[in-house]
Amino acid sequence: KAGVTQTPRYLIKTRGQQVTLSCSPISGHRSVSWYQQTPGQGLQFLFEYFSETQRNKGNFPGRFSGRQFSNSRSEMNVSTLELGDSALYLCASRPPGTGDNSPLHFGNGTRLTVT
Amino acid sequence: SQQGEEDPQALSIQEGENATMNCSYKTSINNLQWYRQNSGRGLVHLILIRSNEREKHSGRLRVTLDTSKKSSSLLITASRAADTASYFCASTGGGNKLTFGTGTQLKVEL
Repeated sequence: KAGVTQTPRYLIKTRGQQVTLSCSPISGHRSVSWYQQTPGQGLQFLFEYFSETQRNKGNFPGRFSGRQFSNSRSEMNVSTLELGDSALYLCASRPPGTGDNSPLHFGNGTRLTVT
Repeated sequence: SQQGEEDPQALSIQEGENATMNCSYKTSINNLQWYRQNSGRGLVHLILIRSNEREKHSGRLRVTLDTSKKSSSLLITASRAADTASYFCASTGGGNKLTFGTGTQLKVEL
């Protein structure tokens, strides 16, 4: 089975722009979560989607949004980019019917640099 | 912040030695997981221990959990250069959201 695929791998944007990141989960996985990783704040939960519905949301401003499609692929969008949004954005999927007593499968992330 | 703490922040050992990392968390949990991250890459799941378990083994890994102290430890025995990575604990208290610790950077030297 192919793993979690995130595109693009690297991205450079300018302050004020907006960006869309994409994540394809492992085939059959319907839960997709997004995390932001920075040297200062570490790994922080952004949101989780299941069957096209946002099921959980972290403490991020409204500039951060996401969605999930019927094929379970997910996108996250950041509008009006700030320098502090520079981070590694990680997507993870989880097998169906397992709840939180199962591991997450992570992609290799998208490295976003805001200049 | 609800983020857990890990100790030490960095650890450097010789190949063949054991490495021990500790993690503390703040809220009640359903389970605690450990992940490894190679530089700039995604996280790889290592082991999961449920809140009603006290110890778990997987290959060269041994994890303990003390819910009364809200702490866990990860022991890697007979370490190898390939074990060089950052290690994170992550707890779940329900809601499918992982709260990660600050991580331990492990370097295993030949």
